[in-house]
Amino acid sequence: GAVVSQHPSWVICKSGTSVKIECRSLDFQATTMFWYRQFPKQSLMLMATSNEGSKATYEQGVEKDKFLINHASLTLSTLTVTSAHPEDSSFYICSGGVNIQYFGAGTRLSVL
Amino acid sequence: QKEVEQNSGPLSVPEGAIASLNCTYSDRVSQSFFWYRQYSGKSPELIMSIYSNGDKEDGRFTAQLNKASQYVSLLIRDSQPSDSATYLCAVINAGGTSYGKLTFGQGTILTVHP
Repeated sequence: GAVVSQHPSWVICKSGTSVKIECRSLDFQATTMFWYRQFPKQSLMLMATSNEGSKATYEQGVEKDKFLINHASLTLSTLTVTSAHPEDSSFYICSGGVNIQYFGAGTRLSVL
Repeated sequence: QKEVEQNSGPLSVPEGAIASLNCTYSDRVSQSFFWYRQYSGKSPELIMSIYSNGDKEDGRFTAQLNKASQYVSLLIRDSQPSDSATYLCAVINAGGTSYGKLTFGQGTILTVHP
């Protein structure tokens, strides 16, 4: 199956700082990628659809100014959590694929 | 009504038994159906994909699709403790603006006890 690489796998930051998470497609061209967030013991929640060369599409209730998505190439989408606060601590996962969605390994964000 | 619904669980089966996971979906134009497995603290991994009515087998896993009943299931034969995880049913609908956008069920927690 397709390979989606996500980095970093784990990050701790201070409140008020920004954190960038990268999602790369290693063996396919990704015109669209998806970003999810998952809190403990809860389901995956789709945050936004990342579109190569254009603006991301955010799900209802997701602050686009807080969660900045950039998809400047066919192999890289980034999610930046700006001015992170403890309530942003979560497991962030990206996905991509041609006919089947494959998930990155996820990034566990802890905001102190 | 939720777009994708799974049997609530949790489901507990003894080692070696068959685990049966069920999923219904509401959008009749849904085209692609997937089962993902998610271990605690990890991201989902693809178990099976199915696109046409009938059964699809891969090792100990069998996916079944019935579009008329809007029903998709996953059978796990000879269940092993390592199969203990949350199983996610996911659907891709035809049309829409985002190709590949998955709609997930709430997940079923499976525990296989020795």
